Formats: sequence, structure tokens, C-alpha cells
Amino acid sequence: DIVMTQSPDSLAVSLGERATIKCKSSQSVLSSSNNKNYLTWFQLKPGQPPKLLIYWASTRESGVPDRFSGSGSGTDFTLTISSLQAEDVAVYFCQQYFSPPNTFGQGTNLEIK
Amino acid sequence: EVQLVESGGGLVQPGGSLRLSCVTSGFTFSNYWMTWVRQAPGKGLQWVANIKRDGSEEYYVDSVKGRFTISRDNAKNSLYLQMDSLRAEDTAVYYCARDADARCDYWGQGTLVTVSS
Repeated sequence: DIVMTQSPDSLAVSLGERATIKCKSSQSVLSSSNNKNYLTWFQLKPGQPPKLLIYWASTRESGVPDRFSGSGSGTDFTLTISSLQAEDVAVYFCQQYFSPPNTFGQGTNLEIK
Repeated sequence: EVQLVESGGGLVQPGGSLRLSCVTSGFTFSNYWMTWVRQAPGKGLQWVANIKRDGSEEYYVDSVKGRFTISRDNAKNSLYLQMDSLRAEDTAVYYCARDADARCDYWGQGTLVTVSS
């Protein structure tokens, strides 16, 4: 199974500042057949289902604010929130879709400093 | 509007069984893979299983293999998860999700499964 490791586990950022979350996979999730990275990012708030933010490592889901961006390739990925808003307080997860089981990272708890 | 509604959760004793259902609407169900994901209390997300559009392929996380069975009825736009030999560690909110080209883009609100004596 592909192991997904996020860092940090917890992060406190001031409003308006940048938040950066890392995700590392134990093997590459880049497909040689289509040159796409099978990596997604989700936001999870209490009492709500996960919300898809980013897929193919860097494609923003429709309706997601453009302050959210994804980058990286192969085994190392980053989710960046360019200017933190109060409503961004949540737990963030990466997930690989390269091969089943489609494992998640352990999550990063994002708070306001 | 795409909708997914889970049901079937509840309290069950260790070793017992439950069948979760996910009724969908607003999209052509038979065109999509479907997925179950769970979140144990105070824990992160865990991918549980998924199933191909026509039901011909299924995949499971190791911890549920041989105990859980994912299935679907395309005529009823419904997804199922049969859970047998339940354990305390299966306690979680179970979500069904639409699997759209390597991403889960729509999710249900979840159904709580509690395994306890």
C-alpha cells in the first residue's frame, strides 16, 4: 500500500498569512501513461462531509476559492492557502488515487494564530 | 442537483452485521465508480472500498477484506456496504462518495456505525 505522510500535523497561521501543508507519498503517484499525478486534497470540518479542493495535484475543483492551490509531482506535494481566512479553519487531508487502497494522509489541523 | 444519502447505520454488537445503503440522484449512477470512506471518532479519513461502474471490480482496504462487501444496483441508483463480523474498530461515520476520474467529488452526509456491547 502507498503510505501518505503529511506535515505538519498541526499548524497555526495568522489571518491573511500563507499556510503551507506538505504531503509525501511512499512511492510515485505520477502516471507515465498520462503524465498526471493522482493526488487530491480535501478539507474536513466538524459535522460536514469532506470537501474536494484539488485534484490531479494542482487542478482546483469548481467553486473552490483561488487562494487554495496545489503543487508538486511524483512523491512530494504541497497545498497552499495564500491568505488565510477564518472559514479555512479545518483539517486538511491528501489522498492518493494511483493504486487501491486509495490511502489518505493522517491530516493536518489548521488553526488561527 | 447531485445527491447521495446514506442510511443503515446504528448500534451493533461485536461480531454482528449491518448493511449500509447509499441512494443517489442527480447524475447517471452507472457512469461512475463509487467509494466508501469512513472516519472513526477523533480520527482521520480512511478509504474503505470502491466498485467499478458495472460492479465487475471491487477493491478493499486490508482491514475489511473478507468481512465487508461493496455492491451496487444500477437500476436503483444505489450503493451498498455489507459489513459482517464487525469489530469495535469499525466504529465510524461511513460516507459514500461519487468517484469521478480519480477524485471523490460528491459526498453524502454520512451514517454512524457504532460497534459496542
